[in-house]
Amino acid sequence: DAGVTQSPTHLIKTRGQQVTLRCSPKSGHDTVSWYQQALGQGPQFIFQYYEEEERQRGNFPDRFSGHQFPNYSSELNVNALLLGDSALYLCASSLVSSGINTDTQYFGPGTRLTVL
Amino acid sequence: SQELEQSPQSLIVQEGKNLTINCTSSKTLYGLYWYKQKYGEGLIFLMMLQKGGEEKSHEKITAKLDEKKQQSSLHITASQPSHAGIYLCGAFTGTASKLTFGTGTRLQVTL
Repeated sequence: DAGVTQSPTHLIKTRGQQVTLRCSPKSGHDTVSWYQQALGQGPQFIFQYYEEEERQRGNFPDRFSGHQFPNYSSELNVNALLLGDSALYLCASSLVSSGINTDTQYFGPGTRLTVL
Repeated sequence: SQELEQSPQSLIVQEGKNLTINCTSSKTLYGLYWYKQKYGEGLIFLMMLQKGGEEKSHEKITAKLDEKKQQSSLHITASQPSHAGIYLCGAFTGTASKLTFGTGTRLQVTL
């Protein structure tokens, strides 16, 4: 049973560029959440996708956008990269039950983004 | 918004010693998750606590939830080098489906 997978594992970009990160959820899961983890901090919620729509969003600017595909995989896009966007980006998948997603979120290994 | 505070921020223990990590919430806890993270890697799910007074164990790790104190504790018995890493507590904010995390506790286990 494959767990959550993310690609790429590492990425180096320069300021102003755009980046796309990818996530495949754990088998049987239909919901994908994205988190940003700065060095020495806990993960911060970016947004969550369910049924190909953004359900919830954290305090992140519109430069951060996403997409969910019919096979439940997801992409995170960041435009106009800033130095402060350097972080570990984590994807988590879960299964919605009773319309409220409070089920356990399983995390992928993350994508380390460095912005120069 | 809900905040989770973990203590201590870092911990160095000798192999074989016991240790406890605490996670305190500023608001009512609807569910509390414990994860472990190796440096720069993804989070590994340890356990989830939903009810006050609930206690769960996995191998040598035990977690408890005290709803009245809005606090959870993670206890490791007879620590081993494999226990080293960052321990993170996370909680759902009511019916919202986003997890709020503490800043983590970095554990080192010396031989």
